[in-house]
Amino acid sequence: GEDVEQSLFLSVREGDSSVINCTYTDSSSTYLYWYKQEPGAGLQLLTYIFSNMDMKQDQRLTVLLNKKDKHLSLRIADTQTGDSAIYFCAGGTSGGNKLTFGTGTQLKVEL
Amino acid sequence: DAGVTQSPTHLIKTRGQQVTLRCSPKSGHDTVSWYQQALGQGPQFIFQYYEEEERQRGNFPDRFSGHQFPNYSSELNVNALLLGDSALYLCASSSLAGGMTGANVLTFGAGSRLTVL
Repeated sequence: GEDVEQSLFLSVREGDSSVINCTYTDSSSTYLYWYKQEPGAGLQLLTYIFSNMDMKQDQRLTVLLNKKDKHLSLRIADTQTGDSAIYFCAGGTSGGNKLTFGTGTQLKVEL
Repeated sequence: DAGVTQSPTHLIKTRGQQVTLRCSPKSGHDTVSWYQQALGQGPQFIFQYYEEEERQRGNFPDRFSGHQFPNYSSELNVNALLLGDSALYLCASSSLAGGMTGANVLTFGAGSRLTVL
């Protein structure tokens, strides 16, 4: 089965950029996703990238995909305290709802 | 517009009991999936329902079963509960038509937290 790995914890100062990294093993993933989970809440889709793209930018979020190295990253510009949460990367294929999630990275934003 | 709603939000059961969790999908969605999220872990896919049938299944035993109703709502049933079944159970809905050739844009509910004693 697929493994998706993430670093467990990241701490940044407010206003700095955050970079959350993810590596995956299954190259058949058609789409790669970033989700945010706040305490007591479900998962919120932040953005996703098609596997034949290298980069996608969406306001403060930039996703980079290195398909050769199976490495995905999420950059959050001008990180705010409201960005404190757990971030999950996930991979999936078209036509199904089976996503394989990483273990999550807890982002802490300090003043 | 209501998103995905799940009930109950919290429940406590003992080993060997059975539990039923419920999910109402987002308006306009016809596909429901269930995920199990153990503490400190990422969600794991249990199964997906579309047109009242199970379409995909993850690596979960037969103790986990589900149902989808004509109004697209869904239930997750877990029999013979084990301590290891303690987790947050997440329901996600989507529109199959939107996912067939594109990204699976799932809308997640807040989950049902099950504790097995």
